[in-house]
Amino acid sequence: QITLKESGPTLVKPTQTLTLTCTFSGFSLSISGVGVGWIRQPPGKALEWLALIYWDDGERYTSSLKNRLTITKDTSKNNVVLTMTNMDPVDTATYYCAHRRGNGVFDFWGQGTLVTVSS
Amino acid sequence: DIQMTQSPSTLSASVGDRVTITCRASQSIGSWLAWYQQKPGKAPNLLIYMASTLESGVPSRFRGSGSGTEFTLTISSLQPDDFATYYCQQYNSYWTFGQGTKVEIK
Repeated sequence: QITLKESGPTLVKPTQTLTLTCTFSGFSLSISGVGVGWIRQPPGKALEWLALIYWDDGERYTSSLKNRLTITKDTSKNNVVLTMTNMDPVDTATYYCAHRRGNGVFDFWGQGTLVTVSS
Repeated sequence: DIQMTQSPSTLSASVGDRVTITCRASQSIGSWLAWYQQKPGKAPNLLIYMASTLESGVPSRFRGSGSGTEFTLTISSLQPDDFATYYCQQYNSYWTFGQGTKVEIK
């Protein structure tokens, strides 16, 4: 049974750096083809893919936010960390992490964590 | 970057109706398309991948079709549990979601 859960601050101030952790179980991030991605959703708006890390440490980022994002993994701890610098109120959103199946789709998702950016 | 455009943005329908949602890609993505269902306050749920392959456990009233740049999601007979927002997603080149289609009660 694959499960994922996001954790991190619920409130950050503008210009601060956000650090979110995705802790997962039921799979290994050392298996070929597997990845963990981050997706966000502003209130009432659409889903936006942010970043993904592969079993082989390959990293992928959305072009619009590439300069602000870093994704890392700790295979021994079964977690993936996303950092986003220079947070702005427009970054207020629910942030999800998700398991990338070998064929490319996100088949299991965490429950999401709402992050509000406000002074 | 590949852009995904869904239509309509909102769809009003009744239980038992046949419902069709369209998704267009800004360039050819082959069959690298997935559909997700999302209910308020919940994470998205994978329905279909590879444009037409039903995810395990998803009712057969959901059907996906298309290839290249045009895709459709059809619900053959809308059930009460199907009122939700639906998103298409390309995974040919990184990942991009459509803007969503809300299926609401007529």
